[in-house]
Amino acid sequence: SQQGEEDPQALSIQEGENATMNCSYKTSINNLQWYRQNSGRGLVHLILIRSNEREKHSGRLRVTLDTSKKSSSLLITASRAADTASYFCATENNAGNMLTFGGGTRLMVKP
Amino acid sequence: GAGVSQSPSNKVTEKGKDVELRCDPISGHTALYWYRQRLGQGLEFLIYFQGNSAPDKSGLPSDRFSAERTGESVSTLTIQRTQQEDSAVYLCASSPQWGGGNQPQHFGDGTRLSIL
Repeated sequence: SQQGEEDPQALSIQEGENATMNCSYKTSINNLQWYRQNSGRGLVHLILIRSNEREKHSGRLRVTLDTSKKSSSLLITASRAADTASYFCATENNAGNMLTFGGGTRLMVKP
Repeated sequence: GAGVSQSPSNKVTEKGKDVELRCDPISGHTALYWYRQRLGQGLEFLIYFQGNSAPDKSGLPSDRFSAERTGESVSTLTIQRTQQEDSAVYLCASSPQWGGGNQPQHFGDGTRLSIL
């Protein structure tokens, strides 16, 4: 079974709006990572948040991590049509050598 | 610098044939991963190579699947006697993977495998 589960599975918003995606996981982790995948392409790393961190920012991205609830959220502010993609969370195990991916959130940003 | 390169980008073959997929990781990356991604779904771990250590094969779905890696360079994933359920995108990723983790994985664009 998958370690990470994203919610919602699909999200459709208008350009300029914010998009929030959530991820829940089951076991202890070294870090949690978010990746983006455009159609027909590989995954691109967006941001990594370590288990002792609670919030991290990168440009229009904001990630939070709550280890007590075993959950994370990815916020994309002021969305653009180019943000249309699938977004995956992935948790790294405590050994630091394995990522387990969730099923992804398919985001559509309408111009 | 060059990213992770996978070939072929697309492969169509008949059921029962063997296929070989290739991955060239980023130079210097000691860790290499293979994943399978079925249409509209997340990534399913297949196998992990780290330097000269024995690979972690725990994700391989059957004995028809095997993978090799020469040192810290090219890897090949082989699927024997392909079945229609093997149709998927096969993604390769590499990572510097020094001690303690906390390194992102770098992905190729995958090989889209279609079994007729």
